[in-house]
Amino acid sequence: AQSVTQPDIHITVSEGASLELRCNYSYGATPYLFWYVQSPGQGLQLLLKYFSGDTLVQGIKGFEAEFKRSQSSFNLRKPSVHWSDAAEYFCAVGAGNNDMRFGAGTRLTVKP
Amino acid sequence: EAGVAQSPRYKIIEKRQSVAFWCNPISGHATLYWYQQILGQGPKLLIQFQNNGVVDDSQLPKDRFSAERLKGVDSTLKIQPAKLEDSAVYLCASSLYGRGEQYFGPGTRLTVT
Repeated sequence: AQSVTQPDIHITVSEGASLELRCNYSYGATPYLFWYVQSPGQGLQLLLKYFSGDTLVQGIKGFEAEFKRSQSSFNLRKPSVHWSDAAEYFCAVGAGNNDMRFGAGTRLTVKP
Repeated sequence: EAGVAQSPRYKIIEKRQSVAFWCNPISGHATLYWYQQILGQGPKLLIQFQNNGVVDDSQLPKDRFSAERLKGVDSTLKIQPAKLEDSAVYLCASSLYGRGEQYFGPGTRLTVT
């Protein structure tokens, strides 16, 4: 069965600093991978997704993620964090539309 | 394009009472999902509909939870009777058939006392 591990429960970065959120997955076939962001009291918003092709994926709000099959990882990155990026970030793996599994999330705090 | 709508946004009930949540997906989206998100955890899929048929309800506690999507559009999730451990945010999402991108509603925060 597929699963997702986000090793960092909480990360604090300074505004303007770079960010990397880790995601490791377990899946029997080529996975569909996603990163979602959730602000307090809001639903989840899709940042980016990987289905196939180029392993470096660009998303909204300046985020990117890199699929590394050999490491079973799909880490999220941003070169310069803004205060508005403070939120909860979820990595997810699925078989297209079906059987989506989410990680437990990483809470991002941005220091001024 | 209107997003996924959910109501109510908040609900407080006592244990053993019943409660229902409503979801209206994005127009034209054939697939509808209900997730349970317990505080500090990621969303867990409860049930997935394709039009008005159930695709996956393997994680739905069927002794107390039920869901329907009668006309293949909006959906209702019911809990009867509620337990303390049902306190969570219930998220509804929808997607186009064959696409992996799910669009989420704002959720309903349920507190069971």
